[in-house]
Amino acid sequence: QSVLTQPPSASGTPGQRVTISCSGSSSNIGSNYVYWYQQVPGTAPKVLLYQNDQRPSGVPDRFSGAKSGTSASLAISGLRSDDEADYYCVAWDESLSGPVFGGGTKLTVL
Amino acid sequence: QVQLVQSGTEVKRPGASVKVSCKPSGYTFTGYYIHWVRQAPGQGLEWMGWINPTNGGTNYAQKFRGRVIVTWDTSTSTAYMDLTRLRSDDTAVYYCAREFYDGSGYFDHWGQGTLITVSS
Repeated sequence: QSVLTQPPSASGTPGQRVTISCSGSSSNIGSNYVYWYQQVPGTAPKVLLYQNDQRPSGVPDRFSGAKSGTSASLAISGLRSDDEADYYCVAWDESLSGPVFGGGTKLTVL
Repeated sequence: QVQLVQSGTEVKRPGASVKVSCKPSGYTFTGYYIHWVRQAPGQGLEWMGWINPTNGGTNYAQKFRGRVIVTWDTSTSTAYMDLTRLRSDDTAVYYCAREFYDGSGYFDHWGQGTLITVSS
């Protein structure tokens, strides 16, 4: 049981916009930044968004993030076949003094 | 460039211990915490613990306390994760990751992962 709650799956067709939610509590998302990671099976995770909505160099602006209260979301617009991957949200948890992860969302591009 | 290189695949018997290494390069080690995260087959990411290479300070997820020890060898600038009393459900890929901001969850660089298989 993950501390942060994500839908286990999401899907869309090429060109569509998809949103993935991430729900937490006051001790994690409610008081800290949210980070999003993309993981292609068989490879290490890669950071997609940092500090809620900031894109590292090289991440296209099709990826965007938002946070409100104890929830956050990742939006992917102009969906492409190579966006098929698992997506994880992460936030620091004050009560645990460590990061907490969402259970991951498997994105399928139909 | 920043790299974290981990040790190779291991197969262990239940009850044994395993030690995984993580050697960073390309940056000043004392500026960044190293975390350990694992992923069981077909499952999500699970945080295990972190170490501060500056002073050796550590913190572990409650689930692993008493079974995991993370260390930093200053002579070789290498992080180690020791997991004891292995069980079959410890079978997983173990990653080390550099945390860009202390206490953030922002892991900007990851090791390649080390597969640990626990089987009799």
